[in-house]
Amino acid sequence: EAGVVQSPRYKIIEKKQPVAFWCNPISGHNTLYWYLQNLGQGPELLIRYENEEAVDDSQLPKDRFSAERLKGVDSTLKIQPAELGDSAVYLCASSFGTSNEQFFGPGTRLTVL
Amino acid sequence: GENVEQHPSTLSVQEGDSAVIKCTYSDSASNYFPWYKQELGKGPQLIIDIRSNVGEKKDQRIAVTLNKTAKHFSLHITETQPEDSAVYFCAASPDNYGQNFVFGPGTRLSVLP
Repeated sequence: EAGVVQSPRYKIIEKKQPVAFWCNPISGHNTLYWYLQNLGQGPELLIRYENEEAVDDSQLPKDRFSAERLKGVDSTLKIQPAELGDSAVYLCASSFGTSNEQFFGPGTRLTVL
Repeated sequence: GENVEQHPSTLSVQEGDSAVIKCTYSDSASNYFPWYKQELGKGPQLIIDIRSNVGEKKDQRIAVTLNKTAKHFSLHITETQPEDSAVYFCAASPDNYGQNFVFGPGTRLSVLP
């Protein structure tokens, strides 16, 4: 079974540029999460989707961050415009039904210059 | 909201020795406590979890203990091996289905051959 797929794995951009990350969860997993992981810290939840509905986006900086999961399968997280402080690893995870276990993808490492 | 602290931040042990990582949480409503292992360049992977109705759980060389009264839980790894070297994160969830995790800052474990 394929795991959570994320692309790109690495992205380097200049500040004020837009950037987008893509995530394909494990097949059949209805819940999808986007996390931010700063260097030397634990993941922090940005947004959680149940199917196509964003049920928790309280930690998403909505002035520059946006996300979508239009068909309830794969998802895109966008930053526009990027700032220096956005340099981090962006992790996507998925889970099935009411299961507690979250399966993480390898992440996208973003560097903003 | 929930706050999870984790100690130590770094831990070095000799191969074959035991390693213990401790976490405390603040929200008495938390009832699900997973431990994740993150290897370099990879996403976190669940290694063991425990729920509030259980005091201890063991899986081969890994065990977790929970003290709900004191609001702390610990990860125990016995007979450590070089492949145990990684960053370990504890997490706590106040949600019945463990959906919204709050992660600790992580512990970098190095197992010296």
